[in-house]
Amino acid sequence: AQSVTQLDSQVPVFEEAPVELRCNYSSSVSVYLFWYVQYPNQGLQLLLKYLSGSTLVKGINGFEAEFNKSQTSFHLRKPSVHISDTAEYFCAVSAVNQGGSEKLVFGKGTKLTVNP
Amino acid sequence: DAGITQSPRHKVTETGTPVTLRCHQTENHRYMYWYRQDPGHGLRLIHYSYGVKDTDKGEVSDGYSVSRSKTEDFLLTLESATSSQTSVYFCAIRGGAGNTIYFGEGSWLTVV
Repeated sequence: AQSVTQLDSQVPVFEEAPVELRCNYSSSVSVYLFWYVQYPNQGLQLLLKYLSGSTLVKGINGFEAEFNKSQTSFHLRKPSVHISDTAEYFCAVSAVNQGGSEKLVFGKGTKLTVNP
Repeated sequence: DAGITQSPRHKVTETGTPVTLRCHQTENHRYMYWYRQDPGHGLRLIHYSYGVKDTDKGEVSDGYSVSRSKTEDFLLTLESATSSQTSVYFCAIRGGAGNTIYFGEGSWLTVV
C-alpha cells in the first residue's frame, strides 16, 4: 500500500518569496505522483504530475516539483509566490499499472498563506 | 474542465433522513469516484465505479451506498444521515495518462 506525508500543515510566506512544500511517500512499487491545488470553496485542480522521464516536472502557475526516488520525495517549489497562490495544496500517489485507481492516496494537505 | 457536474452543491438535512448526491459526467469516462474531504484528513475515498453496475468500496464506505446505472451518472446515497457525515463530497473521474484524477466542484452537506 502507498502512503503520503505532507510535512507541513501550514506554510506562511511573504509575497515574492520562494516557497517549498514538502511531500514524502511510501510505496513498495513504482508510483505516479501528483500535486493538486484547492482554492477556497472550490474543487481540486491538478497542478502537475510525474509519470516517468525527467525528474523535474513543471506545472501551471509557475510551480515545479522534483521527484527524488532515493529520498522518496516529491517537493513542490515556486521561486516567487503571489497573493493569489494562497490555497491548500495536496500531494497524492498512485501505484503504476494498478487498475481502478483506488490506490490514489492523498496527503492531508498544506495550507499556503501568502502575506503582503 | 473535466465535464463533471455535482448536484446539489449545498444541502442541509436532518439526522436520520436519506440523502442522494449526484455526479454527472459528459465525457464517457469509465472510472468514477466519490471522496469526502474533512479538516485534518485530506481526501478519503468512499466508493468508486469502474463501469455500469460495477462498483467497489473505498476506505470509508460505511454508511454509504452507490449506484451507476448509466455511464454518465454516479449516485452516492446516505441511507440514514448522521452528523459524522457532515462533509464536503467530491466526485471525480479518471482520464488521461497516469491514472490522473479530475475533480468536480464539490457538494457541501450539513447534517443537523
